[in-house]
Amino acid sequence: GQNIDQPTEMTATEGAIVQINCTYQTSGFNGLFWYQQHAGEAPTFLSYNVLDGLEEKGRFSSFLSRSKGYSYLLLKELQMKDSASYLCAVSALTGGFKTIFGAGTRLFVKA
Amino acid sequence: DADVTQTPRNRITKTGKRIMLECSQTKGHDRMYWYRQDPGLGLRLIYYSFDVKDINKGEISDGYSVSRQAQAKFSLSLESAIPNQTALYFCATSDYDSGTDTQYFGPGTRLTVL
Repeated sequence: GQNIDQPTEMTATEGAIVQINCTYQTSGFNGLFWYQQHAGEAPTFLSYNVLDGLEEKGRFSSFLSRSKGYSYLLLKELQMKDSASYLCAVSALTGGFKTIFGAGTRLFVKA
Repeated sequence: DADVTQTPRNRITKTGKRIMLECSQTKGHDRMYWYRQDPGLGLRLIYYSFDVKDINKGEISDGYSVSRQAQAKFSLSLESAIPNQTALYFCATSDYDSGTDTQYFGPGTRLTVL
């Protein structure tokens, strides 16, 4: 089966850097996504990794290690508006092509 | 205009009632999904459709049914609503041909079953 683990909550300070980790177990791995979700709103796409390494996109970066079943999302220069849930999701080709979402990490950014 | 729309945005109903949630998209994507989200449980897949003639059960399909009326429309029905179906429901679309199958979500429907 598939399993995704990420911390439930994190707190960080405005202007700082925060790293949100995600570990997963799956067969037929076909990529890992990070989505951002503000309270009561829809998830929105942040990043996609299918190969090992770091993908940088502005203040956000995402890292993947397929051999370790591990990813992280790095947020730099934190802003108050970054307070949201961050969902790690794994796409797999086993049992039909679908994406499984983790429960999400709620990030609180304080002044 | 939003690419993925859901109606209604909020609904309060009573146990035993039949409810339909509707989703429309203008993104031209073949794949459509219905998820529910509960606090602490993340997004759970109810049903998905890769094409107009394709319907597949997700991990929590019991008590739900779907209809893919056209490429752009995917409806979720609760035949006889029960209180534990109270949740936030999201429709999503994706374009497999893009290579990543990134999902694009509608704004959600908050359903309360009394």
